[in-house]
Amino acid sequence: GQQLNQSPQSMFIQEGEDVSMNCTSSSIFNTWLWYKQDPGEGPVLLIALYKAGELTSNGRLTAQFGITRKDSFLNISASIPSDVGIYFCAGQADSNYQLIWGAGTKLIIKP
Amino acid sequence: ETGVTQTPRHLVMGMTNKKSLKCEQHLGHNAMYWYKQSAKKPLELMFVYSLEERVENNSVPSRFSPECPNSSHLFLHLHTLQPEDSALYLCASSQFSLDRGRTATNEKLFFGSGTQLSVL
Repeated sequence: GQQLNQSPQSMFIQEGEDVSMNCTSSSIFNTWLWYKQDPGEGPVLLIALYKAGELTSNGRLTAQFGITRKDSFLNISASIPSDVGIYFCAGQADSNYQLIWGAGTKLIIKP
Repeated sequence: ETGVTQTPRHLVMGMTNKKSLKCEQHLGHNAMYWYKQSAKKPLELMFVYSLEERVENNSVPSRFSPECPNSSHLFLHLHTLQPEDSALYLCASSQFSLDRGRTATNEKLFFGSGTQLSVL
């Protein structure tokens, strides 16, 4: 079946640093999504991408839909303590298909 | 507050118990989902109820039984679970809509806070 490879699995960074993570697939997706899960909560949608090459920002977060339609990237600039959590990518091959999820990137900020 | 409420937040049960998880959404959505979340693994879709139809993942054991009495409420009935069923169970909802009469969109999921289940 379809799988998403999300990396890195975890990141230890200093407050103020920029963060990059990505998802790759062997299949083409028409939609890419990035969700964040805070400790003790369910995932919350951060950014949705619908076109190859699309670059979309949400505050300090920027996500890109890869040109090949097989990957996506999420960048966080100037990280702050509330950025800690697990970031999930998800892809959708067609609008009536269910989402395929990555295994998550756990972001930990060193005090 | 996402508009999706799950109870209980935590549940410990023995392998011979029967329990139910409850989910309620206040968003007016027409689709509801159960997901299983295990550490360091992708979210696993268990069941979907959308437009009054049920779609299920065929790999989900029969000891998990969903019930959706209306578009706002969703239950997951549990019986004779195994220790490997210990996980976070997430409920989600979304709105199916027709895009120019051609397709339905369901990618924007709203999740509850989950039920952390431990099976002893």
